[in-house]
Amino acid sequence: GAVVSQHPSRVICKSGTSVKIECRSLDFQATTMFWYRQFPKQSLMLMATSNEGSKATYEQGVEKDKFLINHASLTLSTLTVTSAHPEDSSFYICSASDDSYEQYFGPGTRLTVT
Amino acid sequence: EDQVTQSPEALRLQEGESSSLNCSYTVSGLRGLFWYRQDPGKGPEFLFTLYSAGEEKEKERLKATLTKKESFLHITAPKPEDSATYLCAVQAYTGANSKLTFGKGITLSVRP
Repeated sequence: GAVVSQHPSRVICKSGTSVKIECRSLDFQATTMFWYRQFPKQSLMLMATSNEGSKATYEQGVEKDKFLINHASLTLSTLTVTSAHPEDSSFYICSASDDSYEQYFGPGTRLTVT
Repeated sequence: EDQVTQSPEALRLQEGESSSLNCSYTVSGLRGLFWYRQDPGKGPEFLFTLYSAGEEKEKERLKATLTKKESFLHITAPKPEDSATYLCAVQAYTGANSKLTFGKGITLSVRP
């Protein structure tokens, strides 16, 4: 149980375009979802926290107009990177939590902006 | 602000050579300390949660322990398949969201 999927696993996009990443909890209802980014040989940095039906809470230094987060249902959250630039290239990981405070991580999405 | 420091940054072991990974933390009211394993290009895989000082948990060759200031992940007789990055994270009793603060991780390489 407690499986989280992400789609796509890899994406390459051109500078200036937008890209959407999906995060789904497959066998439980996720009241809270988290989005992280991870640079090579660095740890996971929390970008934002979202609760179903509410606006996301962004961490300091994360541009909410650039990283749009939607948590439309108890099983789906999306992260849209708008007007992507090469410096946005990173490994994006989502996690989902039910009411137990445990976090279950997805497999990650590798974004490359050319 | 919650902080997690892991050491060493990298560790190279011979197969069968036991060792320990350290995670030091400061947190305003610890709800839980988590250990994850991460393979290259993958998301973190849950290993253990520890909730109070003195608690210990074991899984195969891994044993995690917790004090009020640090946690250790002991690896007994490691095998090459134990090679990975091991992440430590803390969760505080703050608000309704279960925010995790991660350390930078320890990259373990086990040579056959």
